[in-house]
Amino acid sequence: GAVVSQHPSRVICKSGTSVKIECRSLDFQATTMFWYRQFPKQSLMLMATSNEGSKATYEQGVEKDKFLINHASLTLSTLTVTSAHPEDSSFYICSARRSGAKAEQFFGPGTRLTVL
Amino acid sequence: GENVEQHPSTLSVQEGDSAVIKCTYSDSASNYFPWYKQELGKRPQLIIDIRSNVGEKKDQRIAVTLNKTAKHFSLHITETQPEDSAVYFCAANGANSKLTFGKGITLSVRP
Repeated sequence: GAVVSQHPSRVICKSGTSVKIECRSLDFQATTMFWYRQFPKQSLMLMATSNEGSKATYEQGVEKDKFLINHASLTLSTLTVTSAHPEDSSFYICSARRSGAKAEQFFGPGTRLTVL
Repeated sequence: GENVEQHPSTLSVQEGDSAVIKCTYSDSASNYFPWYKQELGKRPQLIIDIRSNVGEKKDQRIAVTLNKTAKHFSLHITETQPEDSAVYFCAANGANSKLTFGKGITLSVRP
């Protein structure tokens, strides 16, 4: 149990376009999901916390109008990178926490975004 | 907010030897400390975790110790194998229930 999927696994897009990434908890309900970004040879940096049925909470320095998050159900959160630029190229990883749980997060396989 | 420090950035050991990775944290309210192993291009994989109400936890070749007074926790890997080579991240779950990650350490196990 506790499987998280992400789609797509890789995406290449042109500068100025928007890209949507999906994060799904396959066998459990997740009230809270998290979106991280990881640049090469660096650690995971939390971008935002996605809460089902309410607005996402963004970390300092992360533009909410550029990284749109929607958590419309207990098993799906989406991250849309709007007007992507080459500096947005990164590894985006989501995680999900079981509803009612306080700590453990289960990670998705990540999405490699390359903006040309 | 929470600040997690992880040193050094690289560690090389001979196969069969033990490896110890140390982390410190700043938020005394942190209560959950997971360790993740990440291979290149893959998701972080939880290998062991510890909660603040215990001082040590062991799972086969892997153990974690926690010193709440000093605010540091360590990962111990015994009888290392080449497949243990990866990047290891420590993390701490602060009062805000968010995970803060250390910078990671690249462990190389020499055959």
